[in-house]
Amino acid sequence: KAGVTQTPRYLIKTRGQQVTLSCSPISGHRSVSWYQQTPGQGLQFLFEYFSETQRNKGNFPGRFSGRQFSNSRSEMNVSTLELGDSALYLCASSLGLAGVRQETQYFGPGTRLLVL
Amino acid sequence: AQSVTQLGSHVSVSEGALVLLRCNYSSSVPPYLFWYVQYPNQGLQLLLKYTTGATLVKGINGFEAEFKKSETSFHLTKPSAHMSDAAEYFCAGGTASKLTFGTGTRLQVTL
Repeated sequence: KAGVTQTPRYLIKTRGQQVTLSCSPISGHRSVSWYQQTPGQGLQFLFEYFSETQRNKGNFPGRFSGRQFSNSRSEMNVSTLELGDSALYLCASSLGLAGVRQETQYFGPGTRLLVL
Repeated sequence: AQSVTQLGSHVSVSEGALVLLRCNYSSSVPPYLFWYVQYPNQGLQLLLKYTTGATLVKGINGFEAEFKKSETSFHLTKPSAHMSDAAEYFCAGGTASKLTFGTGTRLQVTL
């Protein structure tokens, strides 16, 4: 079974631009979570989508948004990019079984975003 | 607030020596704990997880961790380090949809 895939793997943008990152979960997984990884702040939770609805949200400004499609694929968008948005963005998927809180999240390789 | 603390941002061991990476969690973290490993320019790979049941959890690549509720700890160990174990290790806690990560420990393995 194929793992979590993320595209693109690398991206360079300039301040003020916007960017869209894509994540395809493992087949059959319905929950997709996004994380930002930076040297200074470590791994931080952005948001989680399940059945096309945002179910959880971290402490990030409104410039960070996401969505999920009916096939469980997810995109995240960052508008008005700032230098501090340079990071590795990781996507993780899990089955999303109702009432099962201790499922495992499987991570993709990440998209490395550099903002100049 | 939920928190996961990893003691030691860098750990260096000799090949063949015991690996011990420390992780403590706050009591507000749901008792679902994970260790992930990250190799350079890659995503996170699950090493092992504790959910319920046996407190000694065995994972991949010879790693294991023991859940100690009284000490709020979930330390990762491996009896004998291998050069290929050099990577960054993250302890995490939380539910399926939202994990709280520690700051990571970079493991260096020397000859």
